[in-house]
Amino acid sequence: GAVVSQHPSRVICKSGTSVKIECRSLDFQATTMFWYRQFPKKSLMLMATSNEGSKATYEQGVEKDKFLINHASLTLSTLTVTSAHPEDSSFYICSALRLAGGLYNEQFFGPGTRLTVL
Amino acid sequence: AQSVSQHNHHVILSEAASLELGCNYSYGGTVNLFWYVQYPGQHLQLLLKYFSGDPLVKGIKGFEAEFIKSKFSFNLRKPSVQWSDTAEYFCAVGEGSSNTGKLIFGQGTTLQVKP
Repeated sequence: GAVVSQHPSRVICKSGTSVKIECRSLDFQATTMFWYRQFPKKSLMLMATSNEGSKATYEQGVEKDKFLINHASLTLSTLTVTSAHPEDSSFYICSALRLAGGLYNEQFFGPGTRLTVL
Repeated sequence: AQSVSQHNHHVILSEAASLELGCNYSYGGTVNLFWYVQYPGQHLQLLLKYFSGDPLVKGIKGFEAEFIKSKFSFNLRKPSVQWSDTAEYFCAVGEGSSNTGKLIFGQGTTLQVKP
């Protein structure tokens, strides 16, 4: 299967600072990547769709000015949590969409980033 | 809007017991269906997927799932679980007619297998 990496795997920051998380597709190009948030013992909540070369599409209720997404290349998307607060502490997971022709597109998931805001 | 419902939130089984995890979705069009597993401390891994064809899909590690279109269901099964199957299981649905690749996830089911 395809490989998606995330960096860092774990980050602790002070309240009010910004944190950048990187998501890379290592062995395929991805024009589309997704960012999810996973709370403890909960499902994955889709935050936004990251589109290479264009603006991200945010899900309802997700603040686009707080969660900045940049997809500058076909293998890299970044999520920046701006002015982080303790309630932003969570597990953030990205995925990259590998296109295989219409019905057969498939997402491959990164290992996740644990963000703790003090 | 689409939704995915997993009926069992927490399942406890003994080794060698049979497993069936329910998944229902609400979407009337063509769907792509997935089951993912998340072992403790690890990332999401694909167990199996259905795009078209035979509605009985076999995945890795002895898992299988059956797509029943009339019931909007995609239940996951394994005839005999092992302690190593202890994990979180997620059902996910994508719009088959769309190229967005967007997935909607169910709430997840925690499976605990007792040795």
